[in-house]
Amino acid sequence: DAKTTQPPSMDCAEGRAANLPCNHSTISGNEYVYWYRQIHSQGPQYIIHGLKNNETNEMASLIITEDRKSSTLILPHATLRDTAVYYCIVRGTSYGKLTFGQGTILTVHP
Amino acid sequence: DAMVIQNPRYQVTQFGKPVTLSCSQTLNHNVMYWYQQKSSQAPKLLFHYYDKDFNNEADTPDNFQSRRPNTSFCFLDIRSPGLGDAAMYLCATSRGGQKVYEQYFGPGTRLTVT
Repeated sequence: DAKTTQPPSMDCAEGRAANLPCNHSTISGNEYVYWYRQIHSQGPQYIIHGLKNNETNEMASLIITEDRKSSTLILPHATLRDTAVYYCIVRGTSYGKLTFGQGTILTVHP
Repeated sequence: DAMVIQNPRYQVTQFGKPVTLSCSQTLNHNVMYWYQQKSSQAPKLLFHYYDKDFNNEADTPDNFQSRRPNTSFCFLDIRSPGLGDAAMYLCATSRGGQKVYEQYFGPGTRLTVT
């Protein structure tokens, strides 16, 4: 699976959009971009995934660049409960493992 | 609600004393995973089961073993815990097959070794 690079930490004001970047320059054609988050002392939670088109669900939006070498997770109206470590993961089509990087610690402040 | 359940949430064991952590799921998923997460680190896969087929990661120590007696349950056995095995142990499940499916995680069991 391709490696990902994320900033170690980011801050966001409550109510504003949080935009979390991820670089995955070695991604191959059949690999998906996944986002998970982990709130302190809980198990990781799936957020969203995509292949090449932008995706949106009730939690977030995922914007993938045309060359697929980077992506951005957007939380449109961040709340204090969105404070967590956000992991960007690239994986192939098998059911296999998730290889977690160090992620981005997002802190949402009042 | 369908979910992944881990018991206990907190486990204390003594150095060298075998310990078993359990995971159950009501999602009827084919695949079950065990991850280890040490303090301030990202989760790291130890092994997974696809149905009854066991798949070990190459760098998982022999001290760690797993059992999956049926679809719903999976156990993590640590034969002789060392101080370095203190961690959060996370169980996850997913559907199997050709499509890409997300993994659902349990709340984890935090293991302390004294």
